[in-house]
Amino acid sequence: GENVEQHPSTLSVQEGDSAVIKCTYSDSASNYFPWYKQELGKRPQLIIDIRSNVGEKKDQRIAVTLNKTAKHFSLHITETQPEDSAVYFCPDRGATNKLIFGTGTLLAVQP
Amino acid sequence: SQTIHQWPATLVQPVGSPLSLECTVEGTSNPNLYWYRQAAGRGLQLLFYSVGIGQISSEVPQNLSASRPQDRQFILSSKKLLLSDSGFYLCAWTDRNQPQHFGDGTRLSIL
Repeated sequence: GENVEQHPSTLSVQEGDSAVIKCTYSDSASNYFPWYKQELGKRPQLIIDIRSNVGEKKDQRIAVTLNKTAKHFSLHITETQPEDSAVYFCPDRGATNKLIFGTGTLLAVQP
Repeated sequence: SQTIHQWPATLVQPVGSPLSLECTVEGTSNPNLYWYRQAAGRGLQLLFYSVGIGQISSEVPQNLSASRPQDRQFILSSKKLLLSDSGFYLCAWTDRNQPQHFGDGTRLSIL
């Protein structure tokens, strides 16, 4: 997205390892931080999101952490499984709730 | 609960032919509606968004147009398709209380 940088662009991990994807934003007024997962040939699906009044949110093996001071938020996937292989996006939310997507992070979990 | 329908799922069209892709949302009123395009191996590009009936904003200049004839209906059109119009087209919706959700997409191939 225009105001969000995502790293890395590709990530390969062994099954069972953890994966971390980081996004850095520039607009201090940003208050909503979603993560989308897109499997090959399918639609992007929201997997977790966080608002600026919360520092961390967890849902089973996935978690999102927010550092407002440093202006970055990260997706953490623990105990990765082959079905976690996908492209992950942290879109920037602009006016009228439109989401601006970058090229995402291609995560490959090797069995 | 809200649902979004997008059709057709796949479409093969010759260069120069017209296009009409339709998207409808159920279970909400006055949603924001979006059309995205995704080229192979790339990120999602926002094409159009709409905040109400008859209100269309275009994000990028192109060979396509959008219309919103009814509150929960969003149509993507072209009078004459180009080879470069090939891609995966995704419709999405949101309202004040929901994050953005995507339809299943239309895979468009231009021959």
